[in-house]
Order: sequence, then C-alpha cells, then structure tokens
Amino acid sequence: SQTIHQWPATLVQPVGSPLSLECTVEGTSNPNLYWYRQAAGRGLQLLFYSVGIGQISSEVPQNLSASRPQDRQFILSSKKLLLSDSGFYLCAWSVGTGWYEQYFGPGTRLTVT
Amino acid sequence: AQTVTQSQPEMSVQEAETVTLSCTYDTSESDYYLFWYKQPPSRQMILVIRQEAYKQQNATENRFSVNFQKAAKSFSLKISDSQLGDAAMYFCAYRSDFGNEKLTFGTGTRLTIIP
Repeated sequence: SQTIHQWPATLVQPVGSPLSLECTVEGTSNPNLYWYRQAAGRGLQLLFYSVGIGQISSEVPQNLSASRPQDRQFILSSKKLLLSDSGFYLCAWSVGTGWYEQYFGPGTRLTVT
Repeated sequence: AQTVTQSQPEMSVQEAETVTLSCTYDTSESDYYLFWYKQPPSRQMILVIRQEAYKQQNATENRFSVNFQKAAKSFSLKISDSQLGDAAMYFCAYRSDFGNEKLTFGTGTRLTIIP
C-alpha cells in the first residue's frame, strides 16, 4: 500500500532563516506531487505541483520554491522566511490517471517568529 | 477559473442524527470530478467520497452520501447516524477533467458532534 511521509512534524523558525520541508511517497511510481499551505482556519492553497522529476509548476508567486530531486521526493524550500509563511503545510500525491484523487501526508506546522 | 463555495463555516449535530453540509461550485465545464475531504483534529486530510459529473447517480460510502445537482452546481454531503469520530473540518473540492490534475478547495465547514 502507498504511504506518504512528511518531516518535520513541527518547526519554529525565526524570520529570515532558511526552510526545508521534505515529503516522500512509498508504494507508487511516478506520482503527481503537491504542496499546499493552510493558514489558521482557512482552506487549502496550492503552492506547487509536479508531474515528474525536475518538473515543477508554481501556483502562487512568493519566496518559496519546490524541487523534486527523485521520483518520490518533493521538497519545499525558502532562503528567507517571512512571518506570513507561518501555517500548516501539506504534501499530497495522486496517480496520473483516472480520478486523480489526492492523498495527503500528516503535514508540517510551521511557525515563523 | 473554477471556484468552490462552502457557505456554512460551522455546523453541529446530535450524535446518531443526520447532517447535510453544503457545497456549490462555479464552472463552465461539463466534465469534472468532485470530492469531499475530512480533516480531523490530527489535521491529516482524508478522502471521504467522490463523484464524477457525468454520473447522475449519487455516490455513497457507508454512512456518507452526496446529493449532486449538476444543473444547480451543488454537491452536498449527508452524514447519517453521526458519530463522535465524524467531528472534523470538511472540505469540498473540484477537479477539471481537461488534463488538469489540480484540486480547487472550498474554505471548509467545521462539524461538531453533540453527545
């Protein structure tokens, strides 16, 4: 069966510091991968998605970036965090045919101080 | 661009009763997919139920069912025999069928179960 991992689970970082969040998927090949951000009490905002290694599409211009160095690994990064980057970050995957329903990881709670 | 609207920020229901959560969407497309996701206090998103727009029959998954009204662009979720474990945020989501694998989410409805 497929599983998706995210780490760290929680992170507190000062403004201006770098960020690296990692997501890995097991049990499937060539998944579509997604990064979402969820602000407190809000819905999900799609940040990036990837249909293959090295293929990244950005949905929201910001100081965040994403990379996909391996088929089942998706990384969210920032060189300098802003207070507005605080939130709950969710990684998700989908298969590339049919429903494309997305399956989500456990998330990372990021607090920028 | 498609939009998804959940007009009920919060709902509550007595345990064992039935509750319906509303969702409307705006699209000019004829083929698409609709989903309901549940986010419990653990915050992990869980797929509850899904519906293909070209299917008139409403989807059902155990105690969860939908009322899909394509002409009205409405996609409500009915939870029967509500249980304490149903307490969560519920999100409605839309996906286009035209080679676009992205989901558009509503802002969610927080469901409270009253014992």
